[in-house]
Order: sequence, then structure tokens, then C-alpha cells
Amino acid sequence: DAMVIQNPRYQVTQFGKPVTLSCSQTLNHNVMYWYQQKSSQAPKLLFHYYDKDFNNEADTPDNFQSRRPNTSFCFLDIRSPGLGDAAMYLCATQSSGANVLTFGAGSRLTVL
Amino acid sequence: QKEVEQNSGPLSVPEGAIASLNCTYSDRGSQSFFWYRQYSGKSPELIMFIYSNGDKEDGRFTAQLNKASQYVSLLIRDSQPSDSATYLCAVKSVRFGAGTRLTVKP
Repeated sequence: DAMVIQNPRYQVTQFGKPVTLSCSQTLNHNVMYWYQQKSSQAPKLLFHYYDKDFNNEADTPDNFQSRRPNTSFCFLDIRSPGLGDAAMYLCATQSSGANVLTFGAGSRLTVL
Repeated sequence: QKEVEQNSGPLSVPEGAIASLNCTYSDRGSQSFFWYRQYSGKSPELIMFIYSNGDKEDGRFTAQLNKASQYVSLLIRDSQPSDSATYLCAVKSVRFGAGTRLTVKP
């Protein structure tokens, strides 16, 4: 089945140790999003790619970076994780012209 | 003012009752509205979307949109314990409210 796959599902890192989360999709959607969701809060949009065009939300910290080497893959890099970065990170895709998002299962990050 | 606001709840209804979930939004120019369901520890999944004023029904779910008053609601008829989850309202497809946690008691 076509789907959005996130890896790893669970990531434990130490304070300040860089982390990379990955997202892959077989839907051939040209838009990919990264959200951060903390407990009992709304998913917060960090950034998105429209094809290769990167769009950063104004309030996304510089500590968060993203790469999209091709249509299928997108990465979230957290350069120096702090305790406040512990959250579920959700990847979602969208076909241009459509409004519905397809989510991956999420990557839960724990920072020690 | 937040872009999308929801009553965080929790909302508790007995099995078989109607659950009513509400959402207000600030951008009067918004054209598309979505309801997602999110089980604890899982990612959101789409339930319904609505673009036009009025009601849209899909099985036990009805979405209602009132653009003049800038609110969108979700009604769940014959609520089941399996409906217990957090319901997220999204505007312009990518901006989410904090969600309303619904518990359906057997």
C-alpha cells in the first residue's frame, strides 16, 4: 500500500546530541510537511517543501533544519536538542491541488 | 488570537448519545475545513472535510460550517466507545486547533 513511513518510531537522545528523523513516501506527493506535537497540544507546523522549494514557518527555531534530497524522502535535523524539543514529530504529505494531508505514524523523540 | 480554537475538553458522553465538537477560526478568507481524529500516541487521520456553508453528512458524522460566524462543528451520532479520541479541527488544511478530547462511556 502507498503510505508515509517515518523512522525511527522512537528516538532517545542526549541533550545537545544531534538527531535526524526521516520520512519517506510512495504517494508521489509533491508537498511534504513536518509538524511538532507536544502532549495535549495542536500539531505545530515547522516547515514544508513544495517540490524542492523550502518554506520555513516564522517561529521555527534555527535548531531545526530540513532536507529533501528527492520527491520520496524528507529529513528533519535537530542540531542541538534541548529538553523542550521532546515531542512527537509528524510527517505529512499532500498532493498539489488537493487539501487532504496523509500522515506518517510519527517519531517520538525523548531528550535526556 | 489563535488561528484555530477548540474547546480542549474533555468532553464525555454516554454510549449512543450525540457528541458535538466545535471549532472557531480567525481568518475570514478560509475556504477549507477538516476534522481529524487522533488516538492517543497515534497520528491524525482524516474524518471529514467541508468547503461550503451548511451540513455535510458521512455515516454517523456530520460536519457543519457557518462562514458568517466563522465556526465549524462536528456531530457524532450514536457515539461508540471506539470514538474516544482527540478530534482536531484544521483550517486551510495545515493549521490545526489543539483538539477536543472525547470520551464515550459504555
